[in-house]
Amino acid sequence: SQQGEEDPQALSIQEGENATMNCSYKTSINNLQWYRQNSGRGLVHLILIRSNEREKHSGRLRVTLDTSKKSSSLLITASRAADTASYFCATWATGGFKTIFGAGTRLFVKA
Amino acid sequence: EPEVTQTPSHQVTQMGQEVILRCVPISNHLYFYWYRQILGQKVEFLVSFYNNEISEKSEIFDDQFSVERPDGSNFTLKIRSTKLEDSAMYFCASSEAGGYYGYTFGSGTRLTVV
Repeated sequence: SQQGEEDPQALSIQEGENATMNCSYKTSINNLQWYRQNSGRGLVHLILIRSNEREKHSGRLRVTLDTSKKSSSLLITASRAADTASYFCATWATGGFKTIFGAGTRLFVKA
Repeated sequence: EPEVTQTPSHQVTQMGQEVILRCVPISNHLYFYWYRQILGQKVEFLVSFYNNEISEKSEIFDDQFSVERPDGSNFTLKIRSTKLEDSAMYFCASSEAGGYYGYTFGSGTRLTVV
């Protein structure tokens, strides 16, 4: 499979619940980024975690990175209907000229 | 907050026609990118551009594609002879230091080839 594969492919939860999305990748990276895409819209950068970091927080977002397992997770706490979107992980390797995106997780938060 | 601007937001073209998609990256950014996303599918890398030349391109970016930075502000993607399978959202992105800080994406151009 390609660099940056997310699971689950789709996730449906109730407002107020936490949402966890996972990402696996294959090669060595410098950083891993998470982006959000509302339906038919552009990609919005959410958070970036470097290869020497294990956890990072930004508001209701918590990202972890395990370079030994080549995996990352994005946790959205106390989800809101407005969090309904697709979430993509993307990886960048040092010296590379591209960031590679995974297939994404579609999150649906029911009010 | 600085934005990446893409025009047009939606373009419909006849198969075989040439199209030019336009982007205005963030002014102090040095690295520029084009990605595409076929409806419901993953975001695919097309090309990266730095110091007035292509840094890397994907297999998708064949001879019918070209990029240009004609002046100090615009960054364009040209598709010479469009095919039905070129129908997709095309995203422009820019960054100040490669992927070190992540990218800023534009809101995309939806290209429909009929």
